[in-house]
Amino acid sequence: KQEVTQIPAALSVPEGENLVLNCSFTDSAIYNLQWFRQDPGKGLTSLLLIQSSQREQTSGRLNASLDKSSGRSTLYIAASQPGDSATYLCAVKETSGSRLTFGEGTQLTVNP
Amino acid sequence: SAVISQKPSRDICQRGTSLTIQCQVDSQVTMMFWYRQQPGQSLTLIATANQGSEATYESGFVIDKFPISRPNLTFSTLTVSNMSPEDSSIYLCSVGSVHNEQFFGPGTRLTVL
Repeated sequence: KQEVTQIPAALSVPEGENLVLNCSFTDSAIYNLQWFRQDPGKGLTSLLLIQSSQREQTSGRLNASLDKSSGRSTLYIAASQPGDSATYLCAVKETSGSRLTFGEGTQLTVNP
Repeated sequence: SAVISQKPSRDICQRGTSLTIQCQVDSQVTMMFWYRQQPGQSLTLIATANQGSEATYESGFVIDKFPISRPNLTFSTLTVSNMSPEDSSIYLCSVGSVHNEQFFGPGTRLTVL
């Protein structure tokens, strides 16, 4: 059974700092990995999707990497801003069209 | 990307009653997924709804408690039946794109008293 773990559970940083969020998964036979952002009480916003054959994806100040063999992904946020404060979730999909298995999330607070 | 809407956005219900949540997608999709997020926890899949067939439920979830309808390729409903305070959660519907990117609706925040 696939298990996804995110470290740290919570992170508080000053504005402008670069930071890294970690995600690990137990079964490396994944189809893709997706990073989401969730604001309190809201739905999920897709940030980045990495297919199993890819090593990284970038969108603006966000960069996500994937090391399938070691079962790890990182989300790098450059020059953090207070508006980045949210919970960040990673999730893996094991086959095309299948469900996602989610980690517990990292709650990020960026202080002005 | 898919645009997904859910109704209601939130509700407060009494124990023992039922609530039906609607999910509308702006494009035709084969599969729709219903997730639950209990307070302070991550998302758990309730069931997968295919148009024209019975929904497939995950372990721990049953049709009598969470009946699902899927009348067409853009719409689905999830009913939370005979509610108890333990059903207080955010309920989210989700669809996948042709590239297997998953998109989520804004969620329905349910509080059961």
